[in-house]
Amino acid sequence: GQNIDQPTEMTATEGAIVQINCTYQTSGFNGLFWYQQHAGEAPTFLSYNVLDGLEEKGRFSSFLSRSKGYSYLLLKELQMKDSASYLCAVRDGQAGTALIFGKGTTLSVSS
Amino acid sequence: DTAVSQTPKYLVTQMGNDKSIKCEQNLGHDTMYWYKQDSKKFLKIMFSYNNKELIINETVPNRFSPKSPDKAHLNLHINSLELGDSAVYFCASGAYEQYFGPGTRLTVT
Repeated sequence: GQNIDQPTEMTATEGAIVQINCTYQTSGFNGLFWYQQHAGEAPTFLSYNVLDGLEEKGRFSSFLSRSKGYSYLLLKELQMKDSASYLCAVRDGQAGTALIFGKGTTLSVSS
Repeated sequence: DTAVSQTPKYLVTQMGNDKSIKCEQNLGHDTMYWYKQDSKKFLKIMFSYNNKELIINETVPNRFSPKSPDKAHLNLHINSLELGDSAVYFCASGAYEQYFGPGTRLTVT
């Protein structure tokens, strides 16, 4: 089976750095994804890791350790518009290409 | 140009009715999906379709039936709607980076 854990809520201030952790257990790991979802909107793709290490994309970076079943999403220079839910998802090779999502972390950025 | 579109955006109906949600993608992807997001915002896979073949059918009641007339469309038909079916339903496409439609908010009264 699959199990994905991430904190329910986090708060931070503008300009700060925040790290959202995700731990997972799957029977056949085939990639880890981070999505952003603003209230009332569709999830949008942020990052994809399949090998260990750090992937950087502008203000956002994502890290993966397959041996530890662990990933994090790092958001730098936080802006108010970063207030959203951040969804960690894994692709389990035994489940085709569908994504198995965690319950999401709601990030609130204040001024 | 909308990559993944869904209709309707809102759907309010009574228990026992049958309804359909339509989804179209213009990205040329071979794989499409239906996800359900419940009131606690938990997003869960329902179905995957690859080249019109069902790949995954999670523990979804057989009142839900995906129908794909061609590679660009994956519709969701729901029979005998129940209160617990109230949720936001997202269509998506793509094998790696998945693109989500805007969602259909279904309310069953």
